[in-house]
Amino acid sequence: EVQLVESGGGLVRPGGSLTLSCAASGFTFSTYEMNWVRQAPGKGLEWISHISSSDGTTFYADSVKGRFTISRDNAKNSLSLQMNSLRGEDTAVYYCANKAAFEIWGQGTMVTVSS
Amino acid sequence: QLVLTQSPSASASLGASVKLTCTLSSGHSTYAIAWHQQQPEKGPRYLMKINTDGSHSKGDGIPDRFSGSSSGAERYLTISSLQSEDEADYYCQTWAPGTRVFGGGTKLTVL
Repeated sequence: EVQLVESGGGLVRPGGSLTLSCAASGFTFSTYEMNWVRQAPGKGLEWISHISSSDGTTFYADSVKGRFTISRDNAKNSLSLQMNSLRGEDTAVYYCANKAAFEIWGQGTMVTVSS
Repeated sequence: QLVLTQSPSASASLGASVKLTCTLSSGHSTYAIAWHQQQPEKGPRYLMKINTDGSHSKGDGIPDRFSGSSSGAERYLTISSLQSEDEADYYCQTWAPGTRVFGGGTKLTVL
């Protein structure tokens, strides 16, 4: 079964850090770009980062540039998002998705930034 | 700047058809897009990709009631024989080097 499963969400204080993970199965993970997308409560979807399949080139939305780092481990079929200097506006459900057209989505993991 | 524009809401009756529109910003009319469905309290689900010529490729298990088309800078999602479970938010999305972009979403109400 083709599947993406996120983990690592939780409650963190402003200024804190958190690392999200996304485990892939059922497809050749190493051949596809991967993305992180988030959705704040009651809001729409926001792309925040992607990493290429070939050379690991990364891109970020302006809202997270310099604070978040995307990485992948093709040997472990795993995607990560290191989030630093977290703010209240980072509170959201975080999804991983594959390919440029986001053809497979995970179920999401909730991140709450609050004191 | 690459932008996708969607109407915030749409409605149609049970059993009827509805056509949702996604408009690409000026200078980007040849871009392909994808449609995603998000039912209440669920994560998004990929529906299909639509190319500038209107050809489209659907995700696994997407019913034939869902179809896509294209005209100029507009990309469409048509849902026929509406069912209650089609009540959801629908997002269009596109991609360019270094960025991925979502439209604001259309909330579809099935009457």
